[in-house]
Amino acid sequence: AAGVIQSPRHLIKEKRETATLKCYPIPRHDTVYWYQQGPGQDPQFLISFYEKMQSDKGSIPDRFSAQQFSDYHSELNMSSLELGDSALYFCASSLFRAGEIDEQFFGPGTRLTVL
Amino acid sequence: GEDVEQSLFLSVREGDSSVINCTYTDSSSTYLYWYKQEPGAGLQLLTYIFSNMDMKQDQRLTVLLNKKDKHLSLRIADTQTGDSAIYFCAETLNTGGFKTIFGAGTRLFVKA
Repeated sequence: AAGVIQSPRHLIKEKRETATLKCYPIPRHDTVYWYQQGPGQDPQFLISFYEKMQSDKGSIPDRFSAQQFSDYHSELNMSSLELGDSALYFCASSLFRAGEIDEQFFGPGTRLTVL
Repeated sequence: GEDVEQSLFLSVREGDSSVINCTYTDSSSTYLYWYKQEPGAGLQLLTYIFSNMDMKQDQRLTVLLNKKDKHLSLRIADTQTGDSAIYFCAETLNTGGFKTIFGAGTRLFVKA
């Protein structure tokens, strides 16, 4: 079965550079979530999109932006990278069904290292 | 406020039962989840419970929810070495949008 695809899997950048992470949800899923997991930390919710519109926002820095495109894939753009942005970035997708569990399927993550 | 708390470590012997506990603060939780994360891997949804239920059993997994105390637990029967991982408690909040809050994770060590 198709899973959530994230690219790239690993990314190394220098401080003050920009990075773009991509997420391809499971086919027919309409909701995408982004999480940041620092070393030894729990995943922190960044932002989510439903039907290409931002549906909720968490602890996403102003230097980051994201969007969901017409084919439902999503991109997380990170500018002016800082050392503290080094983390594993997870994307998850789900299919919204009113009154049912919001089961999120997670991708393998993109490991971003900022030097 | 939105907060999910878990103990950080649990060590059990193979074959024993493991009980991982979690408390949450937001009463607008709709669903509560347990995720498993193995080293270097992504998050795997283990089980979930709707906030108006008090128990759910799924093979070796039993979830207990005490809504009054905002306490959630995961019991793993006959724990195996392959169960060694980090277990995250999470809740979805009814914010009008889609937002899931995770606990810090409980690292389960299973000794052979």
